[in-house]
Amino acid sequence: DTAVSQTPKYLVTQMGNDKSIKCEQNLGHDTMYWYKQDSKKFLKIMFSYNNKELIINETVPNRFSPKSPDKAHLNLHINSLELGDSAVYFCASSSNQLVNYGYTFGSGTRLTVV
Amino acid sequence: SQQGEEDPQALSIQEGENATMNCSYKTSINNLQWYRQNSGRGLVHLILIRSNEREKHSGRLRVTLDTSKKSSSLLITASRAADTASYFCATDGGGGNKLTFGTGTQLKVEL
Repeated sequence: DTAVSQTPKYLVTQMGNDKSIKCEQNLGHDTMYWYKQDSKKFLKIMFSYNNKELIINETVPNRFSPKSPDKAHLNLHINSLELGDSAVYFCASSSNQLVNYGYTFGSGTRLTVV
Repeated sequence: SQQGEEDPQALSIQEGENATMNCSYKTSINNLQWYRQNSGRGLVHLILIRSNEREKHSGRLRVTLDTSKKSSSLLITASRAADTASYFCATDGGGGNKLTFGTGTQLKVEL
């Protein structure tokens, strides 16, 4: 049973296209996140949702729009993709009650914009 | 930027040796966490140390925390080839709403 699952695992697309990445967690966690990892392995938070409510929105271009239909899902839609969007995007989740267990990460979506 | 720094950036050791990685951060914290990332995979939570703790152990892992110096270290004892991965520290910035990750240490354990 995959705790945090993201799809697709790989995504190659042309500049200007619109694409979505989906994330689901079956851990019953309250909070979900999107992180971006660049080619130098720097991890930067993009968004965080707690019980479907947006609580963190870092300085991210408004071409990126997260959507949380319920607390088990957090999707990321990206409009008008640019070369600089190429990165690995990680979804993660955490529990407000089980802080000691840290975050659980998905295996990542490698996005390549050509 | 709150992002912490880790040192060394890369570390290569022989199997059986100990590996020590250091992390420095900039803001006050409630806790500091360490994660491992194998190549092409997601991050895996290893250990969490609270701001009022100085040392914590989990199996072959030992973490120390010095809040006066805003630094932490991760020691892996008796390393194995399977420990080869990138290791990241992460802090909650005192607010608990998000984790900010360090720059990572790439550990290679050779047979």
